[in-house]
Amino acid sequence: AQSVTQPDIHITVSEGASLELRCNYSYGATPYLFWYVQSPGQGLQLLLKYFSGDTLVQGIKGFEAEFKRSQSSFNLRKPSVHWSDAAEYFCAVGSNDYKLSFGAGTTVTVRA
Amino acid sequence: EPEVTQTPSHQVTQMGQEVILRCVPISNHLYFYWYRQILGQKVEFLVSFYNNEISEKSEIFDDQFSVERPDGSNFTLKIRSTKLEDSAMYFCASTMEGLLGGNTIYFGEGSWLTVV
Repeated sequence: AQSVTQPDIHITVSEGASLELRCNYSYGATPYLFWYVQSPGQGLQLLLKYFSGDTLVQGIKGFEAEFKRSQSSFNLRKPSVHWSDAAEYFCAVGSNDYKLSFGAGTTVTVRA
Repeated sequence: EPEVTQTPSHQVTQMGQEVILRCVPISNHLYFYWYRQILGQKVEFLVSFYNNEISEKSEIFDDQFSVERPDGSNFTLKIRSTKLEDSAMYFCASTMEGLLGGNTIYFGEGSWLTVV
């Protein structure tokens, strides 16, 4: 069965600093990988997804993620964070047509 | 941008009561889903629905849960006899086609259920 691990429960970054959120997956075949963001009291918004092709994926809000099959990773990055990026970030893997498996999430705090 | 809408946004119910959470998926979408997130925990898959039947369900989705698409627009989740541990945020989602077609799964803003 597929699974997702997000090793960092909480990350604090300064505004303007770079951000990297780690995601490792476990899945036997080609994974379909997603990053979602959840702001307080809000739903889940898709940041980006990887299905095939270029392993560096660009998303919304200036985020990008890189798929590394050899490391079973799909880390999310942003070169310069804004205060509005404070939220919880979820990595997810899709294995069939019907189901996403989510990681436990990483909470990002942005300090001025 | 089209969106998935959910009602109610927050419901408080007594243990043992029936609850129906409602969702209006994006209009041309064919696959529908319910996920839940217990406070402080990960988002968990509950059930997927396609072609008027359940296509997959998790072990969480026991006999107390049911889903229905009563008309052409609504997709509901019913919990027959709520338990304290059913307190969670419930997310509805939809896709035009299955995930493996490269489709984005769109989530609603969630219905927060509190069982007291």
